[in-house]
Formats: sequence, C-alpha cells, structure tokens
Amino acid sequence: AQSVAQPEDQVNVAEGNPLTVKCTYSVSGNPYLFWYVQYPNRGLQFLLKYITGDNLVKGSYGFEAEFNKSQTSFHLKKPSALVSDSALYFCAVRDPGDRGSTLGRLYFGRGTQLTVWP
Amino acid sequence: KAGVTQTPRYLIKTRGQQVTLSCSPISGHRSVSWYQQTPGQGLQFLFEYFSETQRNKGNFPGRFSGRQFSNSRSEMNVSTLELGDSALYLCASSLTGESNQPQHFGDGTRLSIL
Repeated sequence: AQSVAQPEDQVNVAEGNPLTVKCTYSVSGNPYLFWYVQYPNRGLQFLLKYITGDNLVKGSYGFEAEFNKSQTSFHLKKPSALVSDSALYFCAVRDPGDRGSTLGRLYFGRGTQLTVWP
Repeated sequence: KAGVTQTPRYLIKTRGQQVTLSCSPISGHRSVSWYQQTPGQGLQFLFEYFSETQRNKGNFPGRFSGRQFSNSRSEMNVSTLELGDSALYLCASSLTGESNQPQHFGDGTRLSIL
C-alpha cells in the first residue's frame, strides 16, 4: 500500500538559514514523488517532482528535493529561507503502475507547517 | 494559461441539504481528481474522472458523487449533508491522469455545514 509520512508537524527556521522539510514514503516499486505548498485560503501549488534520473530535483522558488531510495526519503530543501516561504508543505506519492484503485490518486502526507521568522 | 477554477469559493448549508460544486480544469487537461481536506483527516481522495468516465473512487459514502462533461469540466454532488462534511473540497487536473504528471489544483470550495 502507498503511504507518505511527514514526521514533523512544524518546522521553524530563521530567514536566511537553510531549511529542510522531511518526507518518507512507502510504495511498491519505484515511486513517483511530489511536493506541494499551500498558502492560507488557497489550493495546493506544485513545487517539484521526482520521476526518474538525477536524485537531486530542482523546482520552483529555489526549492529542491533529494531522493534517497535506500532511506525511502524525499526531503525538501532550500539553501536560504524567506519569510514568504512560510506555508503548509505536503509530500505526495503516486503509484507508477496506475492500476485500479490507484488511478488518478495522489497519496499525501499530513503536511508540515513551515514558519520562517525575520 | 488559466489555472483550475472552482466555484463557488464558499458555501454555507444546513444538515440534510444537498450541494453541487463545480470545477473547470486547465485547458487541454482531461483528467480531474477531487479531494477533501479537513484538519482531522488531512487530504483524502474522493474520485477521478477521465473522458467523462469515473476511473477511481475513494472510500466515501454514496452520498458523494460526481460527473464529468464532454468539455472536461467536472461537478461533484453531496446529498443529505452532515456536519462532518464541512471541509475544503479541492479539484485537481492533469493532462491524461498518468502517474508521472503533476496534478494542478484549484483554490477549492470551502463548505460549511450548520
């Protein structure tokens, strides 16, 4: 069964410092992994995805994520945090097989609230 | 290119009523998925449509239904509303729904049940 865990409900970091939001996954076969961000009263905004290839994936707004197959992790990172990065971040996984009960379905973590203080 | 549009943004209903939510996907996108977001349960998958056919359904009661039109626009309906249906309902679209494609989300419909 597919599942995603975000072990931290909240991450706090000072502006200008590097940030990491953690994600681990469980999926049969090779995973397709995604990160989304949600600002208050808005929908989810796509940041980046890992499908195959280079383990370091670069996305929007200076974010990147590192895929680690042995640790089944896909942590989101940014070298220098901004106050405007404060939001709710979701990690998600798709079953690459796309069969039956997994068609069109993202499996989300519970989300991590990132707060960047000035 | 316009994003995913959901209407209305806010709805207030009372128990027992029914409600219809609308979603217009990004132009050219043919797959539409619906999710329910609540503080307690997080993001839960409702169903997915492609070419007017429901291909997948999450673990929700039959009061939750949906459909997709020939122009890919989608609606979801909730009948006999319960207090627990209060949530943010999110619609997402992708080109064909294949698993390597990101889903692009609308801003949601916030449904409040009194």
